[in-house]
Amino acid sequence: GQSLEQPSEVTAVEGAIVQINCTYQTSGFYGLSWYQQHDGGAPTFLSYNGLDGLEETGRFSSFLSRSDSYGYLLLQELQMKDSASYFCAVRVTDSWGKFQFGAGTQVVVTP
Amino acid sequence: GAGVSQSPSNKVTEKGKDVELRCDPISGHTALYWYRQSLGQGLEFLIYFQGNSAPDKSGLPSDRFSAERTGGSVSTLTIQRTQQEDSAVYLCASRTGSGANVLTFGAGSRLTVL
Repeated sequence: GQSLEQPSEVTAVEGAIVQINCTYQTSGFYGLSWYQQHDGGAPTFLSYNGLDGLEETGRFSSFLSRSDSYGYLLLQELQMKDSASYFCAVRVTDSWGKFQFGAGTQVVVTP
Repeated sequence: GAGVSQSPSNKVTEKGKDVELRCDPISGHTALYWYRQSLGQGLEFLIYFQGNSAPDKSGLPSDRFSAERTGGSVSTLTIQRTQQEDSAVYLCASRTGSGANVLTFGAGSRLTVL
């Protein structure tokens, strides 16, 4: 079976740093992605890690350790607009590109 | 088109009725996905189309659910004899090709079964 575990909710104040962890057990692994979804909106792509290490995109960074079946999304200098749900997703097949999503982490940013 | 378009945006139906949900992917995107998202939950994989290959239907929850993709573009998800547990947001996403890793999602179709 497939399982992706991430915390259900994280609360932090503006300007803080938040780390959202994702551990996975999947039948195949070809990369870890992160998506952001605001209430009532469509999920939007944030980052992708195909290899171990850190990927940085502005205030957001994503990390992957394939040997630990673990990754995280780091949100720095939190802003109110970062209040949203964040989903990790594993690409479980290679050529077919099937993606399995976690249950999501609700990030609440307070003033 | 510029983005993934889904219709209807909202659908209210009575238990036992059939519904059709439509997805127009980004032009040129060869892969198309359907996911279901229940209130406050994650994205549940339903079905995946890649080019002209047979679709991966492994996520369809029952034989009441089916999907087709015509001409490698527009897709329709059909739910027959709807049940209250089918109430959810149905999200469609498309992707450029086998090497790409970015899914572009539509705004979804919110289905409410009374």
